[in-house]
Amino acid sequence: DTAVSQTPKYLVTQMGNDKSIKCEQNLGHDTMYWYKQDSKKFLKIMFSYNNKELIINETVPNRFSPKSPDKAHLNLHINSLELGDSAVYFCASRQGWGAGGYTFGSGTRLTVV
Amino acid sequence: GENVEQHPSTLSVQEGDSAVIKCTYSDSASNYFPWYKQELGKRPQLIIDIRSNVGEKKDQRIAVTLNKTAKHFSLHITETQPEDSAVYFCAASNGGNQFYFGTGTSLTVIP
Repeated sequence: DTAVSQTPKYLVTQMGNDKSIKCEQNLGHDTMYWYKQDSKKFLKIMFSYNNKELIINETVPNRFSPKSPDKAHLNLHINSLELGDSAVYFCASRQGWGAGGYTFGSGTRLTVV
Repeated sequence: GENVEQHPSTLSVQEGDSAVIKCTYSDSASNYFPWYKQELGKRPQLIIDIRSNVGEKKDQRIAVTLNKTAKHFSLHITETQPEDSAVYFCAASNGGNQFYFGTGTSLTVIP
């Protein structure tokens, strides 16, 4: 069973569209994250939720809205997509404070045309 | 906040040689330092980590060293193999919720 699963794996869409990426973890972890990896491979944190509560909200355009219906799920909705949003988006989870490393999902490659 | 710098950005070694990747951090409160390996088109995966109460940790061909005084830590890969080719990321955490990642090192092992 995949520990952290993301869907879809690939997403090609036109500018101005709205799209969502879903993430689910079956590890029983308390904390989940969204990271953006650009073409230079830099991993930039976007959001973090702990037990459904938003605890990290980096400087991200408000076109990006995370939603955590329960602690096993963290979805990312993006409105009015722009060319610069093209990147790989990784979901990750972690047990909690001081509890070891992240487990990453397989990533969603978003291409905005 | 924490600032993690990673060098070099690219590294090529001959198969069988050793590879060393170095990271520095700025926050003296950081106490957990994981390393991730990301193969092309795949997810980053944790390969080794070290906590601040330990100076060195080894797992087969990979080892990590930590110098708290100088605020730097390094990844050492011995007897490199072509399957070690990947992007490696260091990270630091002060025990809080967030990891601060380095900018990555693209390692190529030449057969």
